[in-house]
Amino acid sequence: GAGVSQSPSNKVTEKGKDVELRCDPISGHTALYWYRQSLGQGLEFLIYFQGNSAPDKSGLPSDRFSAERTGGSVSTLTIQRTQQEDSAVYLCASSLAGAGDTQYFGPGTRLTVL
Amino acid sequence: GENVEQHPSTLSVQEGDSAVIKCTYSDSASNYFPWYKQELGKRPQLIIDIRSNVGEKKDQRIAVTLNKTAKHFSLHITETQPEDSAVYFCAASFPGNQFYFGTGTSLTVIP
Repeated sequence: GAGVSQSPSNKVTEKGKDVELRCDPISGHTALYWYRQSLGQGLEFLIYFQGNSAPDKSGLPSDRFSAERTGGSVSTLTIQRTQQEDSAVYLCASSLAGAGDTQYFGPGTRLTVL
Repeated sequence: GENVEQHPSTLSVQEGDSAVIKCTYSDSASNYFPWYKQELGKRPQLIIDIRSNVGEKKDQRIAVTLNKTAKHFSLHITETQPEDSAVYFCAASFPGNQFYFGTGTSLTVIP
């Protein structure tokens, strides 16, 4: 079946602009995660959605970052007033029933802020 | 919250030798421990995982061991091949919580 998909695959924006990154999880997966990975670095947790529960936003680095998940499926990560330090690959992952289940990653969105 | 430490950060081995990567975790509630392999420019992919009710799991050349008392788990790759070269991440989690990842190990297998 289809895996996790993300769009766009690449995004170049100017400093100060807002961007929206989209994630389509595997159908039926109730848990969805967003991570950020800077070049050559590890996975930085951003936010975690589990079913209808309030999301775990503890990893969001500033109030410029927000995410929502509509209808328990597609998620959008929004970065407002982008800064150069926001440049990274943004990875989305989903799992069937949350932490404790296998997590599948999407291909990522490479964001470049000029 | 959980804290996962991973060592070494870089590892070079000769082709055919074994490679071992170790992780420690802090939260005794963690009960699921996956390992991911990330090749350059690609997404992380699960290679093996272990749950707290077992001490060891093996899949061909890859094995993972778990010591719950000491709160550490290890990835073992035997008979390494050049295509094993990648960055490997460990993680720990428990139901209702996020995944906590280690900082990664860059493995180079020298032909």
